[in-house]
Amino acid sequence: EDKVVQSPLSLVVHEGDTVTLNCSYEVTNFRSLLWYKQEKKAPTFLFMLTSSGIEKKSGRLSSILDKKELFSILNITATQTGDSAVYLCAVYGNNRLAFGKGNQVVVIP
Amino acid sequence: DVKVTQSSRYLVKRTGEKVFLECVQDMDHENMFWYRQDPGLGLRLIYFSYDVKMKEKGDIPEGYSVSREKKERFSLILESASTNQTSMYLCAIGRNLLAYGYTFGSGTRLTVV
Repeated sequence: EDKVVQSPLSLVVHEGDTVTLNCSYEVTNFRSLLWYKQEKKAPTFLFMLTSSGIEKKSGRLSSILDKKELFSILNITATQTGDSAVYLCAVYGNNRLAFGKGNQVVVIP
Repeated sequence: DVKVTQSSRYLVKRTGEKVFLECVQDMDHENMFWYRQDPGLGLRLIYFSYDVKMKEKGDIPEGYSVSREKKERFSLILESASTNQTSMYLCAIGRNLLAYGYTFGSGTRLTVV
């Protein structure tokens, strides 16, 4: 069975702090790892990673994949209250996405 | 803009009722998925479909069935709703090769009383 484990499950930070979220996985036929952001409703796509060591960046968010150690991290720098959300890690293998339980991030002013 | 439309945002049903959740997409994507999301459990795959009239069980198919008679529509059916099926249900679509990840609908929050 595919496993995706995210840590920490929840954290509270102050505006301006840097956040690092972790995702480790065990998936047969790995093809890619994806990060989503979920606020009140549907998850929205952030990144897809397929190659080790290549950082993907979008504004204050960045992510990297290590296929040897089977994990990924998502970094958020200079956090803002609008970054408060659940961040979902998902791994694509066997023609489906398997999701972790999510990292709940609360950013307080 | 890709649209994945779920027929209801909120739904309240009685135990034992037959419940239909509809998902319609306008992007001609081959693959469609039904997930449920519960606090502390994350998203869990119920059923998915690669093509019209095709369906595959996900990780938690018990108590559910699906129908895909047209490419754009994927229905989730609760044959006899039970209180443990109270949950947020999310439909997702995706292309083969997963070039850009899945696109999700806004979700249906189902309460079974």
